[in-house]
Amino acid sequence: GAVVSQHPSWVICKSGTSVKIECRSLDFQATTMFWYRQFPKQSLMLMATSNEGSKATYEQGVEKDKFLINHASLTLSTLTVTSAHPEDSSFYICSARRPYAYNEQFFGPGTRLTVL
Amino acid sequence: TQLLEQSPQFLSIQEGENLTVYCNSSSVFSSLQWYRQEPGEGPVLLVTVVTGGEVKKLKRLTFQFGDARKDSSLHITAAQPGDTGLYLCAGIVRYGGSQGNLIFGKGTKLSVKP
Repeated sequence: GAVVSQHPSWVICKSGTSVKIECRSLDFQATTMFWYRQFPKQSLMLMATSNEGSKATYEQGVEKDKFLINHASLTLSTLTVTSAHPEDSSFYICSARRPYAYNEQFFGPGTRLTVL
Repeated sequence: TQLLEQSPQFLSIQEGENLTVYCNSSSVFSSLQWYRQEPGEGPVLLVTVVTGGEVKKLKRLTFQFGDARKDSSLHITAAQPGDTGLYLCAGIVRYGGSQGNLIFGKGTKLSVKP
């Protein structure tokens, strides 16, 4: 199988604090991981592409200083939401691309972030 | 720009009925994937199609990739309440600026009533 875990599954924080979300590929090495954001009743919106050992590539309109991404190893990428505000409340989902398999992406279970 | 048009957006049917979900684009995809997502969870990969005209079956689900690799369909036979969820198509664009990224359709929210 291709299992991707995400931690935490939900988090509630105060406005102004920073929150770190971890994404791990458990049974394969992923040189590329992706971070998505999903609003209620909507599809996934790609925020950034995370490459192991290099800087992340952010989609247009996504603030790189707001959403810090680190891809420290072939199995771990982290997303840090800095100085979170209520408008950052959302469902954040990561995925990991399994190499040599038609570029299939396998998704984590998501993290529900609520900023008070 | 929405490269992948998915329809219908919402579908509410009775148990036992058949249904088809469509994904269409003017772009050519090197592969196309179908996912199912339940509320509060991440999408789960159902199938990947890569060859034009390819048909894949997964129990009561039939997936088809268009000959030109620009469109795909998902057909569910004799739907059951357990099929309820959000179905997403997503393709890897073969050419152009978005090459290599997974492009998602807007999703089809399916509700199957007993």
